[in-house]
Parts: sequence; C-alpha cells; structure tokens
Amino acid sequence: AQTVTQSQPEMSVQEAETVTLSCTYDTSESDYYLFWYKQPPSRQMILVIRQEAYKQQNATENRFSVNFQKAAKSFSLKISDSQLGDAAMYFCAYRSGEGAQKLVFGQGTRLTINP
Amino acid sequence: ETGVTQTPRHLVMGMTNKKSLKCEQHLGHNAMYWYKQSAKKPLELMFVYNFKEQTENNSVPSRFSPECPNSSHLFLHLHTLQPEDSALYLCASSQVPSGGLNEQFFGPGTRLTVL
Repeated sequence: AQTVTQSQPEMSVQEAETVTLSCTYDTSESDYYLFWYKQPPSRQMILVIRQEAYKQQNATENRFSVNFQKAAKSFSLKISDSQLGDAAMYFCAYRSGEGAQKLVFGQGTRLTINP
Repeated sequence: ETGVTQTPRHLVMGMTNKKSLKCEQHLGHNAMYWYKQSAKKPLELMFVYNFKEQTENNSVPSRFSPECPNSSHLFLHLHTLQPEDSALYLCASSQVPSGGLNEQFFGPGTRLTVL
C-alpha cells in the first residue's frame, strides 16, 4: 500500500520570504499523480498544484512550485513571496495512475505566516 | 450555490442519536466521496460512489451508512456513534473518467462531535 509522509507538523515563515514544505511517499508503481492541497482555517480544501509522475518537468503555479524527485520519492512544495493568505494546513496526496480515484494523504503541515 | 456544499456545518449528537450529513455538488460531476479528517491523522477515504453506485467502502463500520440517490447528492447516515467518531467529515466530487487527472473538489466539511 502507498504511504505519504510529511515530516514537518508545523512551519513558519516571514511574509514575503520563501518556504519549502517536505513530502515523501512510498510506492512500487511507476504511474501516479501527486498533489498539494491547501486547507485554510474553517475553509474548504483546495488544490494548489499537481504533478504527473511521467513528467520530468516540475510543476509551477504562480508563486507555488514543486521539486519532484522521482527516484528519491520526494515531492516538496515551495512557496515564494509568502503572503498572509497562504496560512493554512497543507496536505500532500498521492493517487495511482489513470482510472484510480483513491487519494492517500499525508498528515499535513500547518504553515504560519509572520507579518 | 457553487462547488460542493455540505450541511450541517456543525453537529453535536449523543451516542444513541440518529443523524444525517448531506452533501451536494453543483459541478456536474459523476463521482462523490466521503472522507474523515481526525485530529493529527491523515484524511481517510471512507466511501466512493460512481454514477450513484458505491465502488469503494474502506472498511468503514456499519454505524456509518452512505446513500447516493443521484450524482449530485450524497448522504452519510449516522447511528449509534462512538466518541472516537468525532471528526471533520469532508465530501468531495470529481469527474470520471477524466483522462488521468481526476481532480477532486472538496466541500467545507461537517464538524461532528459525539458526546
């Protein structure tokens, strides 16, 4: 069975600085998808960024980017120019290849932005 | 209403009560999911429904009974719950098949407290 590990329960960063959240996963599959979800306090969880395992190029979405290391089974999230609205729980998630629906989540990292 | 909505947002119930959680998606999707989010634990997938048919039951106790009358509505009927069932229950929806990505959209959740 696949597992996802986020080793940082809490992180904090100064506003406008850059922060990296770590995620590692364990799988024997070669075809899969990885996701970062953001859950602000008392608000809905939303997808931040996603990565297909067959793509070597790291995904980017505005200030959010990932460092995908397939051989190391690592999928970290970098947030540049941190803003107060980035404060949230961040979850890393794994899903098997095409047709699969089950998301396997990590424990989450609580990110605090210091003004 | 847009996206995925859930009612009620908060629920307190005794162990002998019977209550239901409701989820509605306004995205035209054909798959719906129930997740359980407990403190300090990863999100756990409970049930998956595709085209109103249950396709996955992740070893959930029978005191949780899902119902999916159509592709837009999903219920979770609760009876004889235990205090350890207190958690945030999240509903999600997606479109299947989706050519691989199958992004899941989440509702705001129902915060359940069992006394």
